Amino acid sequence: GAVVSQHPSRVICKSGTSVKIECRSLDFQATTMFWYRQFPKQSLMLMATSNEGSKATYEQGVEKDKFLINHASLTLSTLTVTSAHPEDSSFYICSARDQNEQFFGPGTRLTVL
Amino acid sequence: AQSVTQLDSQVPVFEEAPVELRCNYSSSVSVYLFWYVQYPNQGLQLLLKYLSGSTLVKGINGFEAEFNKSQTSFHLRKPSVHISDTAEYFCAVRGYSSASKIIFGSGTRLSIRP
Repeated sequence: GAVVSQHPSRVICKSGTSVKIECRSLDFQATTMFWYRQFPKQSLMLMATSNEGSKATYEQGVEKDKFLINHASLTLSTLTVTSAHPEDSSFYICSARDQNEQFFGPGTRLTVL
Repeated sequence: AQSVTQLDSQVPVFEEAPVELRCNYSSSVSVYLFWYVQYPNQGLQLLLKYLSGSTLVKGINGFEAEFNKSQTSFHLRKPSVHISDTAEYFCAVRGYSSASKIIFGSGTRLSIRP
């Protein structure tokens, strides 16, 4: 199947700093990418849908100024957590759609001290 | 709108025993159905999917699932589990439209006992 990569896999940062997470579709072009957040022992929560060349669509309750999403090309989407705080600590997973199937990245563990 | 219910949050099973993870869904439109597996600190891996055709779907790692439209179920089964099957399993649905989003169930933690 298609491969989606994420970088970094793990990041630890101080409160107040911004963190950028990259999501790449390695062997296919993805017009639509998704960003999820997962708390321990819980399911994935969709944060936003990212379409190449247009603004992301955020789910209700997700702060768009806090979680900046850029989908600059058909193979790259980035999520920037701005002015991160400890409550932003979580596992962030991206996904890219290829026709009828979505492929998921390995996830990024963010820890904000 | 769609929703997915995984009634069992945890399923403990002895090694080499059979297992069934239950999934029920509700939707006002036809949907695609998926099962994903998540190993600790990893992303999701597709186990199998139902798009159309035969209602019995075979996936990777010896798993299979059966789509039952009348009962709106898509239960996951494996005849003999291994320690390596210990993971979190998510059932998911998505509408046919290209704009549809995947809706996940709450997950079932499968723990295999030796």
